[in-house]
Amino acid sequence: AQSVAQPEDQVNVAEGNPLTVKCTYSVSGNPYLFWYVQYPNRGLQFLLKYITGDNLVKGSYGFEAEFNKSQTSFHLKKPSALVSDSALYFCAVRDKGDDKIIFGKGTRLHILP
Amino acid sequence: DAGITQSPRHKVTETGTPVTLRCHQTENHRYMYWYRQDPGHGLRLIHYSYGVKDTDKGEVSDGYSVSRSKTEDFLLTLESATSSQTSVYFCAISDYRMNTEAFFGQGTRLTVV
Repeated sequence: AQSVAQPEDQVNVAEGNPLTVKCTYSVSGNPYLFWYVQYPNRGLQFLLKYITGDNLVKGSYGFEAEFNKSQTSFHLKKPSALVSDSALYFCAVRDKGDDKIIFGKGTRLHILP
Repeated sequence: DAGITQSPRHKVTETGTPVTLRCHQTENHRYMYWYRQDPGHGLRLIHYSYGVKDTDKGEVSDGYSVSRSKTEDFLLTLESATSSQTSVYFCAISDYRMNTEAFFGQGTRLTVV
């Protein structure tokens, strides 16, 4: 069965600094990987996904993520954080050939002015 | 936003009563999912559907049942609500291609007293 781990409950970053939100996954086959963001009292919004090909994936709002098969990781990154990036971020995985999409526990990102 | 409507948006119910949450989509997507979101647990998959009358269990299915009699509707039923089922429930949809992301509804906040 697939699983996702987000090892940090919270990440604090100063505005203008680069940010990284970590995600590792476990699947029996090949993964589809996703990042979502949730703002207070809202549903989840899709940010980006890795399907195949280039290990560096670019998404919405200047976010990108790097797929590393050997480390089974899919870390979310942004070169320069904004206060408005403060939110709850979820990593998700889908094993190819499986219908389920499994989410991590989420990481709360605080961008400090 | 994808055409997903959850109803009701808020509900307070008493322990032991049955509760049904509805997810309605206008996208004609194949897959539909029910998740619950709880602090410290992130998003956990309850049940999902891969077609009309085709459903399967997720990570935390005990105490829940689902039905999908039409492509557009996916119902989640708590047969006898318990306080541990107090949560925010999210419906999500994705199309037939396994490599596509899921789109989320706005959520239903359920309180069992």
